[in-house]
Amino acid sequence: AQSVTQPDIHITVSEGASLELRCNYSYGATPYLFWYVQSPGQGLQLLLKYFSGDTLVQGIKGFEAEFKRSQSSFNLRKPSVHWSDAAEYFCAVGAINNAGNMLTFGGGTRLMVKP
Amino acid sequence: ETGVTQTPRHLVMGMTNKKSLKCEQHLGHNAMYWYKQSAKKPLELMFVYSLEERVENNSVPSRFSPECPNSSHLFLHLHTLQPEDSALYLCASSRSGTQPLYGYTFGSGTRLTVV
Repeated sequence: AQSVTQPDIHITVSEGASLELRCNYSYGATPYLFWYVQSPGQGLQLLLKYFSGDTLVQGIKGFEAEFKRSQSSFNLRKPSVHWSDAAEYFCAVGAINNAGNMLTFGGGTRLMVKP
Repeated sequence: ETGVTQTPRHLVMGMTNKKSLKCEQHLGHNAMYWYKQSAKKPLELMFVYSLEERVENNSVPSRFSPECPNSSHLFLHLHTLQPEDSALYLCASSRSGTQPLYGYTFGSGTRLTVV
């Protein structure tokens, strides 16, 4: 079975600083990987996804993520954080089973942005 | 607006009440999901419907009863809930098929408070 670990529960960065959120996955085959963002009281919004091809994927809101098979990682990055990026971020790995498409989510990383 | 609409946005109910949460999507998806999101806990998958059939139930208490009358609508019927059931309930939908190319589209959630 697949699993996802987000080692950092909370991260605080200053506005304008760079950001990297860590994600490690466990999956026996080529993974389908996703990053979602959740603002307070809202649902999850897809930031970006990786299926194959270029290991550096671009997403919305200036985010990017890099797939590293050797490290089983899919870390999310942003060069310059804005105050509006404060939210919770979830990494997920997708697979197919008898229930169809199944996403397994990590525990989330809460990002706080200092002025 | 994500394409997945959940109503109501907020619900306060007593432990003896019966209420229902509603989820609606018109994205052409054929799989729908209920998730529970409690404070400081990972996302918990509750139910999965694929092609209107329930295909997964992660040992959810019987006081939660899902219903999927068609591929566009999903309900979660609630009765005799406990205070620990207070949480954000998220609905999601996806295409169910050979590849999870699109991930899930989430609604904004229903914030449930059991008093």
